[in-house]
Amino acid sequence: EIVMTQSPATLSVSPGERATLSCRASQSVSSNLAWYQQKPGQAPRLLIYGASTRATGIPARFSGSGSGTEFTLTISSLQSEDFAVYYCQHYNNWPPFTFGPGTKVDIK
Amino acid sequence: QVQLQESGPGLVKPSETLSLTCTVSGGSISSSYWSWIRQPPGKGLEWIGYINYSGSSNYIPSLKSRVAISVDTSKNQFSLKLTSVTAADTAVYYCARGVTTFDYWGQGTLVTVSS
Repeated sequence: EIVMTQSPATLSVSPGERATLSCRASQSVSSNLAWYQQKPGQAPRLLIYGASTRATGIPARFSGSGSGTEFTLTISSLQSEDFAVYYCQHYNNWPPFTFGPGTKVDIK
Repeated sequence: QVQLQESGPGLVKPSETLSLTCTVSGGSISSSYWSWIRQPPGKGLEWIGYINYSGSSNYIPSLKSRVAISVDTSKNQFSLKLTSVTAADTAVYYCARGVTTFDYWGQGTLVTVSS
């Protein structure tokens, strides 16, 4: 089973600043990596798939990069609605397709 | 716009069977794969398994002996059964569209395992 790790566990950022979140896979997942955003009491929302392709309706301030084992989600200028927990998920070797433990982005 | 809605008991006794149904609206269940994902309170996400319209399914190995997902195309629904539940199965259960990435999700339903 591929293990996903995320860092940091919590990221404190001021509105308008850039946020950089990291995700690492225990073995290569090629570009088969997705990012989700989850707000309290809500279901996750797909942000990025294929490591760098934004899902439908996702603002351009969200960008993804990386391949193999190292991935990054960047939020270029944090808006108030972006404070949430972010999960990465691989979909390479199956089963299972595992999620990372999440990074919480909160207000500094 | 595809919408998903979970339904089922919010409380299940230990050793009994958890049963949930997901109703899909705004699209045909025959058009995609469908998954169940769960999230224990305050914890991360765990994909449980998937099914397609023809009934082809697969499950996470750690739950394979206890889980079954079925589909009812006439009702545009798919269902989850998890047997012999314990407190460790307490979680918010989500249904979602997809098998690799998940672009539409239900709102989630909390299932508590307790006597």
